[in-house]
Amino acid sequence: DSGVTQTPKHLITATGQRVTLRCSPRSGDLSVYWYQQSLDQGLQFLIQYYNGEERAKGNILERFSAQQFPDLHSELNLSSLELGDSALYFCASSENRDNTIYFGEGSWLTVV
Amino acid sequence: AQSVSQHNHHVILSEAASLELGCNYSYGGTVNLFWYVQYPGQHLQLLLKYFSGDPLVKGIKGFEAEFIKSKFSFNLRKPSVQWSDTAEYFCAVNSGGYQKVTFGIGTKLQVIP
Repeated sequence: DSGVTQTPKHLITATGQRVTLRCSPRSGDLSVYWYQQSLDQGLQFLIQYYNGEERAKGNILERFSAQQFPDLHSELNLSSLELGDSALYFCASSENRDNTIYFGEGSWLTVV
Repeated sequence: AQSVSQHNHHVILSEAASLELGCNYSYGGTVNLFWYVQYPGQHLQLLLKYFSGDPLVKGIKGFEAEFIKSKFSFNLRKPSVQWSDTAEYFCAVNSGGYQKVTFGIGTKLQVIP
């Protein structure tokens, strides 16, 4: 158990819908990362937050957004969902002084 | 921008064979290097990491990796693989600062009993 908690673990939704994935980082970790993993594109970095502020942005679509709240939990919002958005979405967290990333168990999203 | 190359995308070995997975990175400055493992149906777990000091790093489950700065490499090794090592292995690099970690495309290892 890495200490990073993600909910929901599985989600099935229809095209055009919107979902929110939630992540609680390890206790004390200020950085939160979101990654998307799919069979055809591998592990893709989406976005990073540090203590509530966006720190780095990767291959995140405009239909996706994220935020980190004062209690350091983070949410990834996926809207206007398409079939191709079906993937495993990982949240990860790290301390400030140690760049080691610890991953949650992921949220499986299936868009039908 | 930093990038990571993993040369072998799919490796098949018999049990007890030796393993070496290649990883090269592009960033020329100070780097932190990682290997993660993802067992089937599970999340990524840290195998080992290099920040500084001894370039030969030992990790969990008998894995080790060697940082060769002149070759921009951080290859993962294990002298004798087991069936339970079947997994996908990701090399990652971070250049400090903003802590963005860049992952390689991953290498799927299949160990045949």
